Amino acid sequence: AQSVTQLDSQVPVFEEAPVELRCNYSSSVSVYLFWYVQYPNQGLQLLLKYLSGSTLVESINGFEAEFNKSQTSFHLRKPSVHISDTAEYFCAVSVDASKIIFGSGTRLSIRP
Amino acid sequence: EAEVAQSPRYKITEKSQAVAFWCDPISGHATLYWYRQILGQGPELLVQFQDESVVDDSQLPKDRFSAERLKGVDSTLKIQPAELGDSAMYLCASSGGLALLTDTQYFGPGTRLTVL
Repeated sequence: AQSVTQLDSQVPVFEEAPVELRCNYSSSVSVYLFWYVQYPNQGLQLLLKYLSGSTLVESINGFEAEFNKSQTSFHLRKPSVHISDTAEYFCAVSVDASKIIFGSGTRLSIRP
Repeated sequence: EAEVAQSPRYKITEKSQAVAFWCDPISGHATLYWYRQILGQGPELLVQFQDESVVDDSQLPKDRFSAERLKGVDSTLKIQPAELGDSAMYLCASSGGLALLTDTQYFGPGTRLTVL
């Protein structure tokens, strides 16, 4: 069965510093990968997704994630974070395109 | 911008009592999902509807949970009787279709249930 591991439950960083949120998955077949974001007091939103093609996917607010098949990872990165990026980030995987399995989430806190 | 509405936002109940949550999806969205998110964990799918039909309820504890979407629009999730372990955030999401990869799920703000 597929699963998703987010090793860091919390990641504190200073404003304008780079950040990487780690995500590893387990699956013996091809996967589709997602990152969702939940801002304070708001619902989950899709941030970006990898379906096929280029292994580097980008979001409109400067985040990017790279699919690494050999390391079964889909880490999320941003070169310079802002206070407004404070949120909880969920990595998710789908194997058969019928169901999404979510990780346990990483809470990103930005210090001024 | 259209949003998924959920009510109530917070619910406190005693164990053995019945509780119900309501979800109004984005207008025109045929697919509706109910998720449960236990503190410190990611959302877990409970039930998925396509219009008024259940597509997947394999993870729904059917001895105490029920879900309906009678007219294929809004939906109700019920727990009877509630147990302490049901304390969680209950999330509703909707999408325009069943194509998981291309039909983005839009999530509501959730209902936080506390069972005492």
